[in-house]
Amino acid sequence: GAVVSQHPSRVICKSGTSVKIECRSLDFQATTMFWYRQFPKKSLMLMATSNEGSKATYEQGVEKDKFLINHASLTLSTLTVTSAHPEDSSFYICSALFGALTEAFFGQGTRLTVV
Amino acid sequence: QQQVKQSPQSLIVQKGGIPIINCAYENTAFDYFPWYQQFPGKGPALLIAIRPDVSEKKEGRFTISFNKSAKQFSLHIMDSQPGDSATYFCAARRYNTDKLIFGTGTRLQVFP
Repeated sequence: GAVVSQHPSRVICKSGTSVKIECRSLDFQATTMFWYRQFPKKSLMLMATSNEGSKATYEQGVEKDKFLINHASLTLSTLTVTSAHPEDSSFYICSALFGALTEAFFGQGTRLTVV
Repeated sequence: QQQVKQSPQSLIVQKGGIPIINCAYENTAFDYFPWYQQFPGKGPALLIAIRPDVSEKKEGRFTISFNKSAKQFSLHIMDSQPGDSATYFCAARRYNTDKLIFGTGTRLQVFP
């Protein structure tokens, strides 16, 4: 299957700082990328949908000024958690599609801990 | 109507057993139903997927049974192995959209 790579896999940051998570499609061009958040032993919660070259579409209840998403190229989307708080600590996962209505490929996830 | 209900929450079987995980939905506009396997600290990986025009699909030891009239689908794992111990998520995608709606997950433990 296609490869989607997330970086970093783990990050610890101090409260008030910002942290950027990268999601790359390594062997295909991703027309659409999704960002999810997953709490321990819980399901995946969709945060936003990003399409290359356009603004991300955020799900209801997700603060777009706090979770900045940039999809600058067909192989890279970034999620920046701004002014991080301990309650932002979570597992963040991206997925990518190489075309409309195709199979979604997931990254390995990023464990964010805010101290 | 956007929900996908998954059960059981957890499941313990012995090696060689056939765990069955069930999902149900209400939205008849869903037309793609994938199952994902997730190991701790990793992202989900697609196992098998089905569309509502077939009642069963088998790939290796994994089988999806689909009941369109009941709006239910299930995952069967034949000859389960300890390496199958993971969390399994069903999902559904509405016609002509790319968003996946995930079930709540089932934590499977297979003991030797």
